[in-house]
Amino acid sequence: DVKVTQSSRYLVKRTGEKVFLECVQDMDHENMFWYRQDPGLGLRLIYFSYDVKMKEKGDIPEGYSVSREKKERFSLILESASTNQTSMYLCASSFGGVRGYTFGSGTRLTVV
Amino acid sequence: DQQVKQNSPSLSVQEGRISILNCDYTNSMFDYFLWYKKYPAEGPTFLISISSIKDKNEDGRFTVFLNKSAKHLSLHIVPSQPGDSAVYFCAASDRSARQLTFGSGTQLTVLP
Repeated sequence: DVKVTQSSRYLVKRTGEKVFLECVQDMDHENMFWYRQDPGLGLRLIYFSYDVKMKEKGDIPEGYSVSREKKERFSLILESASTNQTSMYLCASSFGGVRGYTFGSGTRLTVV
Repeated sequence: DQQVKQNSPSLSVQEGRISILNCDYTNSMFDYFLWYKKYPAEGPTFLISISSIKDKNEDGRFTVFLNKSAKHLSLHIVPSQPGDSAVYFCAASDRSARQLTFGSGTQLTVLP
C-alpha cells in the first residue's frame, strides 16, 4: 500500500513563527499536493508539484511556500504564521492523473 | 467561487436505509468525478468514481449517478451502516487530470 506520512499530527505555533510541515511518500509518486481543510470550505489546494524542484500555486497560496528537493518529500512552509492559518493540513500524492490520490493523516495546526 | 458544491453540510439516516449525498458542479470542463470518505483524524480515502461517459457506476453498497445536463451527481449507499458515518467529499477534475477540486463535504451519521 502507498503510504503518505505527515511528520506531525498536532502542532501549536505562535503568531509570526516560521512553520514547516513535512510530507513523505514511499511509492515513487510524481505528483504531490498540499490542501487545507476548513469547516464549510472543504479541501482547498495550496500548492502542488509534478516533479522535483518544481511547484505550482493552487487556489490559496498566499502566506505559504513549498519545497521539493527530493521526489519523496514535499514540504509546506508558513513564512510567518498567522491565526487564520489555523487549520487541518493534508498532504496527498499520486502517480499520474487523479485516479490514485493517496492522502496522509493530516496535521492539525493551531496558531496562537 | 466554489466550482464543486455540496449544499447539505450534514445528513442523518437510520441503519439499513438508503443514504443519498448530493453534489453540484459549475465547471463544464469537469469530466471525471470522485467521492472520498474521511474519518476524524484520518486523511480522505477514495470511495468511488465516475467518468463523464457514464451515468452510473456501482461498487457493492455504493452507487454514483451522474446527470451531466444538470451538472449534478449523487452517491447512494444502500444499506447504510453505522461504520459509514464519516464526512463525504465530492471531487472533480477536467481532462488534464492534473488536480482535483473538492466540495465542502457532507457529514453523514448513520443511526443504529
